[in-house]
Amino acid sequence: ILNVEQSPQSLHVQEGDSTNFTCSFPSSNFYALHWYRWETAKSPEALFVMTLNGDEKKKGRISATLNTKEGYSYLYIKGSQPEDSATYLCALMFSGGYNKLIFGAGTRLAVHP
Amino acid sequence: SAVISQKPSRDICQRGTSLTIQCQVDSQVTMMFWYRQQPGQSLTLIATANQGSEATYESGFVIDKFPISRPNLTFSTLTVSNMSPEDSSIYLCSAADTPTDTQYFGPGTRLTVL
Repeated sequence: ILNVEQSPQSLHVQEGDSTNFTCSFPSSNFYALHWYRWETAKSPEALFVMTLNGDEKKKGRISATLNTKEGYSYLYIKGSQPEDSATYLCALMFSGGYNKLIFGAGTRLAVHP
Repeated sequence: SAVISQKPSRDICQRGTSLTIQCQVDSQVTMMFWYRQQPGQSLTLIATANQGSEATYESGFVIDKFPISRPNLTFSTLTVSNMSPEDSSIYLCSAADTPTDTQYFGPGTRLTVL
């Protein structure tokens, strides 16, 4: 069973705090990892696609790292702002005929002014 | 990137009826996908729709319950048939040119079945 776990389920931080959350996955047959941000009533927005062990990606105040050998990725937000409030989704694609994204349940982030 | 719209954005339906959800992409794409997110659950792929061929359904989803059309490279519909309260979910479509490309999503259709 290909399972993608995200933790924590939800997170409340104050404006200006930095925060991070985790996506864990089976390390065998890894092909690619996608991070999405999903604000209520909007389309999920693609943040990063990561494929190589040790990859680090950055977009503004948001960055992500990938460890395919141990099966995890971290998403970091530096200096959180209220507009960062959203659900952050991790999705994995595995090799071996599984040409589809398998999503975690997401981490719901609320940033309070 | 592609911009994707869905109609309706939300609906409340009676048990036993059917609802067709439309998904429009602003450019031609090879692959379109339909997902469901039940309350408290992960986004789950229902089926993949390529133009000119039958949709490919994931385990647990069948064509009689979720018929899909893909008449051209910019449009697809998903019908939720003979609805029950368990079908209350957010339904999203997405698009990509290959299975490994980034998928671009619509804003979703929030369905409540009474």
